[in-house]
Amino acid sequence: NAGVTQTPKFQVLKTGQSMTLQCAQDMNHNSMYWYRQDPGMGLRLIYYSASEGTTDKGEVPNGYNVSRLNKREFSLRLESAAPSQTSVYFCATRDSGGREQFFGPGTRLTVL
Amino acid sequence: GENVEQHPSTLSVQEGDSAVIKCTYSDSASNYFPWYKQELGKGPQLIIDIRSNVGEKKDQRIAVTLNKTAKHFSLHITETQPEDSAVYFCAASKNNAGNMLTFGGGTRLMVKP
Repeated sequence: NAGVTQTPKFQVLKTGQSMTLQCAQDMNHNSMYWYRQDPGMGLRLIYYSASEGTTDKGEVPNGYNVSRLNKREFSLRLESAAPSQTSVYFCATRDSGGREQFFGPGTRLTVL
Repeated sequence: GENVEQHPSTLSVQEGDSAVIKCTYSDSASNYFPWYKQELGKGPQLIIDIRSNVGEKKDQRIAVTLNKTAKHFSLHITETQPEDSAVYFCAASKNNAGNMLTFGGGTRLMVKP
């Protein structure tokens, strides 16, 4: 039972490159979230998916796209990376009947 | 939208002392207030939460208080131990479909042995 897994753990990109961050969960949760964490700013919601087949924008969606591939997987894509997207990215899940969000270990992304 | 402010940003205490972290929120419709602990290199983990119909909640050495009128809530850790050293985040949420959380900026707690 791995919980929430994220790949890769670390990534360095050049400005303008694209990449996809992967998140998978084996908790059978309906809701999944993508956050970014920057120093002094806590975690800010980028996108979320309340259930398979639906996605909605969060607080800071610009420059990102998401795909809820199936119930288990929720990916975050940067089409043209910018230095302002240097951050630590966290995926989280939540069961429909609860309020607690369960977080993955994070992906540290640096855009040069 | 909701805005959550958290103070202090860093807090250093001696082992055995108490630690208090305070948060304020702006949206009176928020009704769920969790606290997350993040250890180095890991994702945040829920340690305690409180709903708006409750004024205080305790779980062993940690407690959370909520003042809805003033729109602030606090985390209290008693008898601190070195393993309490971490970054703590408060958050606020309304009971909407996505249960979106708005986080405070975080407090780095250091417990000195």
